[in-house]
Amino acid sequence: GQNIDQPTEMTATEGAIVQINCTYQTSGFNGLFWYQQHAGEAPTFLSYNVLDGLEEKGRFSSFLSRSKGYSYLLLKELQMKDSASYLCAVYNNNDMRFGAGTRLTVKP
Amino acid sequence: DTGVSQDPRHKITKRGQNVTFRCDPISEHNRLYWYRQTLGQGPEFLTYFQNEAQLEKSRLLSDRFSAERPKGSFSTLEIQRTEQGDSAMYLCASSSSGGTYEQYFGPGTRLTVT
Repeated sequence: GQNIDQPTEMTATEGAIVQINCTYQTSGFNGLFWYQQHAGEAPTFLSYNVLDGLEEKGRFSSFLSRSKGYSYLLLKELQMKDSASYLCAVYNNNDMRFGAGTRLTVKP
Repeated sequence: DTGVSQDPRHKITKRGQNVTFRCDPISEHNRLYWYRQTLGQGPEFLTYFQNEAQLEKSRLLSDRFSAERPKGSFSTLEIQRTEQGDSAMYLCASSSSGGTYEQYFGPGTRLTVT
């Protein structure tokens, strides 16, 4: 089977750092994506990892360990506008499988 | 605006009716995907086109669903004999065949079946 697991909800304070974890078990792997989705809107691309290690992109970083089937998204200097759902997705042979998403609430 | 567009944005229909949605991908993208998303869940893969060829179709997709991309540009998704369980957001995404497989999503069509 194929599983992509991430926490359902997280809360953090404005200005803080938050780490959203994702574990996956899939039949194949061509890359791992993180998307941000605000309520009622379409997902927007945040990051892509295909090799192990950390990819940094401004306030957002994403880490991948293929041997552990594990990734995390790190958000620094949280802003109120970062309140959204964060979707972990694994790409394999033309098929993108999404987790259910982690709803992040940023509080003042 | 050169992003992915979808039409209509909202559709309310009665159970048993047929509906058709349209997606216009980013013009240089040859890959097109359809997803369905319900509240509190991530997008669920429905089908995938490379140019005009439908290369993959989810086993979850019943015979009531059909998708086309006749000229390798826009695509349509038709649902026949709609059921209340079909109520969801239908998302279209496109990507290029090279590079990172990054998919760009359209705004979605929200379907409500009454």
